[in-house]
Amino acid sequence: DAGITQSPRHKVTETGTPVTLRCHQTENHRYMYWYRQDPGHGLRLIHYSYGVKDTDKGEVSDGYSVSRSKTEDFLLTLESATSSQTSVYFCAIRTDRSPLHFGNGTRLTVT
Amino acid sequence: TQLLEQSPQFLSIQEGENLTVYCNSSSVFSSLQWYRQEPGEGPVLLVTVVTGGEVKKLKRLTFQFGDARKDSSLHITAAQPGDTGLYLCAENSGNTPLVFGKGTRLSVIA
Repeated sequence: DAGITQSPRHKVTETGTPVTLRCHQTENHRYMYWYRQDPGHGLRLIHYSYGVKDTDKGEVSDGYSVSRSKTEDFLLTLESATSSQTSVYFCAIRTDRSPLHFGNGTRLTVT
Repeated sequence: TQLLEQSPQFLSIQEGENLTVYCNSSSVFSSLQWYRQEPGEGPVLLVTVVTGGEVKKLKRLTFQFGDARKDSSLHITAAQPGDTGLYLCAENSGNTPLVFGKGTRLSVIA
């Protein structure tokens, strides 16, 4: 979908290395979210942003940090990747009134 | 945090059969959304239900919101292989982040 792009789409990294995932939107939406999706757990919120430099923690924020220095980009950083962070990561965007619109995900494998 | 229970967790049926999946909570929903997710893609919104007792139809899909706004169901008539996917319900409460159920994984066999 042209409105929201996640990069990279796939990544394999080693335990202990830092990793940054990028979410880029062209919709000028205010809200941006990072979710992780794991079998048996569904979609769980990691962090979200309600404006430039305004972020808050979600349900599973430990080991993750985020930054939003401009409206269109929301970065998710794993400070020191662990095997438990192997997952599929989804970014989503919305306005005050719109539903969530998801990207196509980043599959991260931590070996 | 409101917990959403979806059932069944997995469902495998033959093409042409009907099916119903459920989303339940112990708390009242502000409103509820249903999403469908296909392999390798993000979830896509199907419908939002807001009013207790509301029924919405989307082609062969019928969505119901319970009178007490604590449960919802999705009924598919004459399922087709293209209906295969993960069906997620999510509680929508204004501008707070959505809370998702774990989903029902549907497989429709031709």
